[in-house]
Amino acid sequence: QKEVEQNSGPLSVPEGAIASLNCTYSDRGSQSFFWYRQYSGKSPELIMFIYSNGDKEDGRFTAQLNKASQYVSLLIRDSQPSDSATYLCAVIASGGSYIPTFGRGTSLIVHP
Amino acid sequence: DAGVTQSPTHLIKTRGQQVTLRCSPKSGHDTVSWYQQALGQGPQFIFQYYEEEERQRGNFPDRFSGHQFPNYSSELNVNALLLGDSALYLCASSTGQNNEKLFFGSGTQLSVL
Repeated sequence: QKEVEQNSGPLSVPEGAIASLNCTYSDRGSQSFFWYRQYSGKSPELIMFIYSNGDKEDGRFTAQLNKASQYVSLLIRDSQPSDSATYLCAVIASGGSYIPTFGRGTSLIVHP
Repeated sequence: DAGVTQSPTHLIKTRGQQVTLRCSPKSGHDTVSWYQQALGQGPQFIFQYYEEEERQRGNFPDRFSGHQFPNYSSELNVNALLLGDSALYLCASSTGQNNEKLFFGSGTQLSVL
């Protein structure tokens, strides 16, 4: 069973702070890593993806991948109340299926 | 450019009944995947359709079946509903060439009483 683990939270941060969301995965051969944002009562929306070790930045978002330690993280700089949502980590494992396995998500609350 | 559309948005059924959910993919997408999301959980993969064939299937019983039409739209059918089938059912579309990035519809909230 290929697993993706996330702390369900909630993670509470003040407005303007950096929010750090973490995800670990069990399949060492995993190739592709995604972060989806899901507002309450809405559907997931892809916000970041990363394939190689290191950092990838897009605006206020930075995805970090460490394949040796089998974790991927999402940093949100200058957090805003509108960032309050559940963040889902998704991983495509080895084996050629190209079907992402999702974690249960981390609830982020940004308070003014 | 229409995104992924799903219908209906909400549905209430009783145990033992059958249900059909519908999905139209984003324009230009030819692959449809169905996910079940229970409250407080991440989406769980049910199956994926491409070229009107079920290409991959997750760990769901045969009560869950589907279909894809020539226009790439898709249906999810669930027979003999159980209370545990209550969940948000999400349809996601993608292209055959970039299958990894999913675009989700707004979902169908199914309640089984």
